[in-house]
Amino acid sequence: DARVTQTPRDKVTEMGQEVTMRCQPILGHNTVFWYRQTMMQGLELLAYFRNRAPLDDSGMPKDRFSAEMPDATLATLKIQPSEPRDSAVYFCASGLGGGIGEAFFGQGTRLTVV
Amino acid sequence: QKEVEQDPGPLSVPEGAIVSLNCTYSNSAFQYFMWYRQYSRKGPELLMYTYSSGNKEDGRFTAQVDKSSKYISLFIRDSQPSDSATYLCAMSRGGSYIPTFGRGTSLIVHP
Repeated sequence: DARVTQTPRDKVTEMGQEVTMRCQPILGHNTVFWYRQTMMQGLELLAYFRNRAPLDDSGMPKDRFSAEMPDATLATLKIQPSEPRDSAVYFCASGLGGGIGEAFFGQGTRLTVV
Repeated sequence: QKEVEQDPGPLSVPEGAIVSLNCTYSNSAFQYFMWYRQYSRKGPELLMYTYSSGNKEDGRFTAQVDKSSKYISLFIRDSQPSDSATYLCAMSRGGSYIPTFGRGTSLIVHP
């Protein structure tokens, strides 16, 4: 059963701490997305990669957020330092990069910064 | 103004009702129109999609696109409590396959 795997599912951290979220995309998918979901804004695209190369990270606050793909099986999203306004659900999704552009989502990481 | 607008609801209906969910958009370059369903504490999953204008039916679900009005709809017939979820519309441009999502509409179907 192919699925996108995200860890951790839940994270509570103190303001100022570093947060790292990890994602294992579906094997064979060449496109990886990071989204943030809040009640007010809905799903916002933070960054996406194609064939491990970052193509667009204009949705991310550059001073504190960074996204990488060290290899084809791992994508990471880091926040340093974290702030209370970063509290949200962060989704990783992967896709085949063609057709309709369907995105297959993981279960999400629920981040709470106190 | 967002490229894709969707009323967040919540929309509460009795079991068996016909549900209409809608989105409007501003970018005429969108060619693929999708509906995702998201259950509580889960990631969104693709429910159905259409290309360009027209209707598409899949069981109790019908997706409708009116490009001239920049308006898309999802109809659910004979709604069931198991349909209770958040429904997100999404759209992408031909050649650039990054979906742009609406905020999602929370649907509650009560027995």
